[in-house]
Amino acid sequence: DGGITQSPKYLFRKEGQNVTLSCEQNLNHDAMYWYRQDPGQGLRLIYYSQIVNDFQKGDIAEGYSVSREKKESFPLTVTSAQKNPTAFYLCASSIGSRVDQPQHFGDGTRLSIL
Amino acid sequence: AQSVAQPEDQVNVAEGNPLTVKCTYSVSGNPYLFWYVQYPNRGLQFLLKYITGDNLVKGSYGFEAEFNKSQTSFHLKKPSALVSDSALYFCAVRRGGGNNRKLIWGLGTSLAVNP
Repeated sequence: DGGITQSPKYLFRKEGQNVTLSCEQNLNHDAMYWYRQDPGQGLRLIYYSQIVNDFQKGDIAEGYSVSREKKESFPLTVTSAQKNPTAFYLCASSIGSRVDQPQHFGDGTRLSIL
Repeated sequence: AQSVAQPEDQVNVAEGNPLTVKCTYSVSGNPYLFWYVQYPNRGLQFLLKYITGDNLVKGSYGFEAEFNKSQTSFHLKKPSALVSDSALYFCAVRRGGGNNRKLIWGLGTSLAVNP
């Protein structure tokens, strides 16, 4: 079945540590997105990529970094500069050529501070 | 500025009764509107969308939504609620036209269906 796989499901970060969240899709979608979800705040866009080797900052990019070396993969690194990283992180993808198409989501990674 | 409002943080309804989850939007140009559902500790699932055409849109799991341009609303409805419909619902909008793929999200409405 086609879909988006996020791993790990749960992740713990120590102070001063960078951690990387994985997002892989086999939907052949060009566009991919990373969102942060906090209770009562809805979804906030961290980074998005419309094509391989290109990505743009979203609304809350500070303290995060991404890469898009392959169409299928869009990993997110939460750096030590992100002082409040505890949240639920969601990866999504959509058909690149069609802006009327919905985004498809993975099942998220819950990041906590040790 | 583009925005989406979901005026109710929580909606409670009895099983078998009709349900409505409200969404209003503000966007320049024609809007592309979407509804998603999220179950606990899961990602979002797409329910339905309005792009153009008939104002009443039918989607997954018996849900439908009505686009009202004059009231800038896109309320989600279901004629008969199920306990299994209890979840968090998000409305999202994208300005139609151009190459803009970014969605503007509402803050979500928690739906509780009581048996």
